[in-house]
Formats: sequence, C-alpha cells, structure tokens
Amino acid sequence: EVQLVESGGGLVQPGGSLRVSCAASGFTFSNYWMTWVRQAPGKGLEWVANIKEDGSEKYYVDSVKGRFSISRDNAQNSLYLQMNSLRAEDTAVYYCARYARLLWYEVFDYWGQGTLVTVSS
Amino acid sequence: DIQMTQSPSSLSASVGDRVTITCQASQDITNYLNWYQQKPGKAPKLLIYDASNLETGVPSRFSGSGSGTDFTFTISSLQPEDIATYYCQQYDNLSSTFGQGTKLEIK
Repeated sequence: EVQLVESGGGLVQPGGSLRVSCAASGFTFSNYWMTWVRQAPGKGLEWVANIKEDGSEKYYVDSVKGRFSISRDNAQNSLYLQMNSLRAEDTAVYYCARYARLLWYEVFDYWGQGTLVTVSS
Repeated sequence: DIQMTQSPSSLSASVGDRVTITCQASQDITNYLNWYQQKPGKAPKLLIYDASNLETGVPSRFSGSGSGTDFTFTISSLQPEDIATYYCQQYDNLSSTFGQGTKLEIK
C-alpha cells in the first residue's frame, strides 16, 4: 500500500525558515518524480515544486523561486521542502504527492495527509 | 503561465441530478487535464486523467470530456457521498496549475 506521511509543519515567524518532510513507503521511491502542493486555509490547491527521480531536475512555481528548495533522499525514501524567507501568504497545508509521469499522461496519483505551516508573528 | 478558469465556484444539486463542471485553459493543453475530488479535511483524490480516462476504482457515474482549451466534468447521478470540492489540473512542461475549485453541495 502506497503511503506518504508529511511532518515538520508548525508556527514560524515571517522571514523565518522551516523544513517539511515526507516519508514514502509501499512503492519504489527512486522510480518516481515527486511533488509538493499547498492549500491556504479555505482556498484552492497550488502546485509548489517537482523533483525528478534522481534529484537532478527541480521545478518551482514562480512565487517560491529563490526561497524554497525541494530535495530528496532515495536511500531514506524521503522528500523534503526547505522553506526560507517565509511570508504570511505561505501559510498553508503542504501536501506531498507521487508524480507519475507515464507515456502520454501525468498525474499526482497518491497524496499524503498534509502538514500545516503557519507563518505569523 | 497557463491559467485555468473553472466554473461554477459552487453548485447545489439534488441526489440523482446530473452535475456538470467546466474548466477552460488559457491556451491549448491538448488532453493534459486531470480532475480531483477533495472532501473536507482530506487530501485530494484523482478521479479522471488525460481529460476522459477514469482512474481505477472510481465509480462510472464520474466522467470527463474535452480537449484543447475546453473541458467538462460530469457526475451522471449525484450521490450523497459526492459532496466535495472538485478541481481541474493542467500539466505542461513540468509545471502545473489547478482550477479554483467547485464546491458541490446537496440541495
């Protein structure tokens, strides 16, 4: 059974940093791209970042470029999102998801339960 | 960046009704369009991929259609367990955008 479990969320002051993690199990982690998607309270979904199977390619939404960094440790079956220079508008539930890139379509097919990051003084 | 315009933002319907949600892309995305369901307090769940393909295990009352810039998601006969918010998602060049969501309620 595929499982994704996020952790590391919490309260952080504006301008601060936080790293959230995602522990993966039930599939060969190193064979899949992975992604982070966030959801501000009461709002819709926003894609944040993607990372290739071996970590060699990373892509970000414009609003987090230069502040957030996605990474992975395939030996530990773990995905990370390092968030720096945090702003109030980064307050959201952060979901990790498996990003299945198949022959002619791509999907976020399994999702974690999310971890809440609150940026406030 | 490709923008996705989803409508309506909310919808109230009766059990057994046919429900339709639309999503319009700001440029041609061929079939690069998925639909997700999100129930309150839960993670999103993939329902439809590649515009019209039903994910394994998803009831056949859910369907999707469209290509290019205009897409439609349909529930043929609304059930009480379908109460949720539905999102379209486009993917292009290793980035992605979601529609604003449609909150579906029972009348």
